[in-house]
Amino acid sequence: DAGVIQSPRHEVTEMGQEVTLRCKPISGHNSLFWYRQTMMRGLELLIYFNNNVPIDDSGMPEDRFSAKMPNASFSTLKIQPSEPRDSAVYFCASSFRRLPLGEQYFGPGTRLTVT
Amino acid sequence: GEDVEQSLFLSVREGDSSVINCTYTDSSSTYLYWYKQEPGAGLQLLTYIFSNMDMKQDQRLTVLLNKKDKHLSLRIADTQTGDSAIYFCAESPVGYNKLIFGAGTRLAVHP
Repeated sequence: DAGVIQSPRHEVTEMGQEVTLRCKPISGHNSLFWYRQTMMRGLELLIYFNNNVPIDDSGMPEDRFSAKMPNASFSTLKIQPSEPRDSAVYFCASSFRRLPLGEQYFGPGTRLTVT
Repeated sequence: GEDVEQSLFLSVREGDSSVINCTYTDSSSTYLYWYKQEPGAGLQLLTYIFSNMDMKQDQRLTVLLNKKDKHLSLRIADTQTGDSAIYFCAESPVGYNKLIFGAGTRLAVHP
């Protein structure tokens, strides 16, 4: 099993540009989570999907952020336009919704730098 | 509300025991978790405890749960330099398919 795959691993972009982060969850998992990690704010849940449907997007910072999950094996997180304060490590995680144990498997993260 | 709190930093000498503490707020959480994040990597599940247990031991790891005080701790025996990482406590409130993470405790192990 390849685990959760994220791309790119590193992204450097200029303020105002569009950024798209990609995630492939573990095959068979039906929940997907996007997190952001910074030194100042720690680990924040941005949005999560169950069976490709967004369930809770209350953590999405603002309208510049959007996330999609067109199918069970792919999700994107888009920032348009990007700003320097968006610089962070973005993690994708997936799990199999088999309550009550909700172990999440994390990808290696995408380090985003906006200059 | 949902809130998980941890101390931010712990420094121990190699070979000593490390104890990382956590308090949580949602008593409905069925499982409580400890995740480990090594430098440059994502979080990885280290261990978990079912809410009807007081203690769980797994090799060098001991998890203690005090449900009355909503206090969770992780003890690492014979701490090694490879244990240096950030440790996150997390709860999973009933009815939610998400984890509530603490801010993480950075464990530094020195010789």
